Amino acid sequence: QSALTQPASVSGSPGQSITISCTGTSSDVGGYNYVSWYQQHPGKAPKLMIYEVSIRPSGISNRFSGSKSGNTASLTISGLQAEDEADYYCSSYTSISTVVFGGGTKLSVV
Amino acid sequence: QVQLVESGGGLVKPGGSLRLSCAASGFTFSDYYMTWIRQAPGKGLEWLSFISSSSSDTNYADSVKGRFTISRDNAKNSLYLQMNSLRAEDTAVYYCARTYIVGAIPSHWGRGTLVTVS
Repeated sequence: QSALTQPASVSGSPGQSITISCTGTSSDVGGYNYVSWYQQHPGKAPKLMIYEVSIRPSGISNRFSGSKSGNTASLTISGLQAEDEADYYCSSYTSISTVVFGGGTKLSVV
Repeated sequence: QVQLVESGGGLVKPGGSLRLSCAASGFTFSDYYMTWIRQAPGKGLEWLSFISSSSSDTNYADSVKGRFTISRDNAKNSLYLQMNSLRAEDTAVYYCARTYIVGAIPSHWGRGTLVTVS
């Protein structure tokens, strides 16, 4: 199972919005509404930010939103804040009952 | 609150074995699927394996199939990963995660334990 494709890096200024894409195939992203997004700060464990494409777990800011179209999912962060600077990973359930992650995107808030 | 604490990592020689443990608390362990994920130094996340709440269902990534075995002891609220025939490329931080049944989504993660194969 090949990793999902994410941009290596994105950047934005405080207050702006950014979008991170996550491209897979019809066997993962396109075939199931089980796309998740994780935030990881350096030296820390990943934290679930979005699951089932667009659902925010309890306690996650509504500045984070998710969507999907075809084989590509997207994470949008609005009103960028300094503490949003982190690595972001997407993941998807697959047709062979496994989970596949994206390669990760480093978000810089400049 | 949900707490997951991994242990058992360390330095092992290529070809060696190691058994990781994950102690769970703050939730009814026997109700949840569990997953192991790893992250090589400076690299991304790699899903390894999951196990159903009753241990009846397991699955593995191709990279570890036949070498790693996931198991659990619901009476001890513990998850395990037996790792055999270790290779240098298995060097990583290993995380356990509580997992949503639907979509096998890892939701709550431990802090990880470092395995170094050298």
